[in-house]
Amino acid sequence: AQRVTQPEKLLSVFKGAPVELKCNYSYSGSPELFWYVQYSRQRLQLLLRHISRESIKGFTADLNKGETSFHLKKPFAQEEDSAMYYCALNARGKLIFGQGTELSVKP
Amino acid sequence: DTGVSQDPRHKITKRGQNVTFRCDPISEHNRLYWYRQTLGQGPEFLTYFQNEAQLEKSRLLSDRFSAERPKGSFSTLEIQRTEQGDSAMYLCASSDPGQGPNSPLHFGNGTRLTVT
Repeated sequence: AQRVTQPEKLLSVFKGAPVELKCNYSYSGSPELFWYVQYSRQRLQLLLRHISRESIKGFTADLNKGETSFHLKKPFAQEEDSAMYYCALNARGKLIFGQGTELSVKP
Repeated sequence: DTGVSQDPRHKITKRGQNVTFRCDPISEHNRLYWYRQTLGQGPEFLTYFQNEAQLEKSRLLSDRFSAERPKGSFSTLEIQRTEQGDSAMYLCASSDPGQGPNSPLHFGNGTRLTVT
């Protein structure tokens, strides 16, 4: 079965603290994974994709096939990072999303 | 704004009525997706099109739901005989597979449906 699991509904940290949003997946093929973000009153948008191995707004994510994980990390959280974060898996042309994690960065 | 456009933004209807939503994708995008999102959940896949062809429809989608993309441009999603459980945010997204298999989905602002 193809599935994306984000175990934390809410993650609350203080500004400057490290952040790790967890994502685990289940997929029989070669996984293509993404992180999408939704800021308050904005539409859902792509943050980063594993194949690009990029860092966007200080966030990185590494695909770990052994642990079937794609955790999102940032060393120093900023207040403007507060948003809903969704991990997504490309399953033969369509994206399967996790339940989402709300990140709250407090001053 | 050249992004994905959805209409209406909000729809309130009584149980049993039919509703239709429209989505205009980014013009050069030939893939169009419909998702549904309820409170506290991530977007749930409903169906998607490549040009005018409907390539996949979720097994979770009942026969009351139908989507069309007649000319490969805009799409409509119709829900017949609405039920309270249909209340949700309906999201449309488009992509350009010509950018590669990992081409991003561009989402609209959604249509929020409330069934009373």
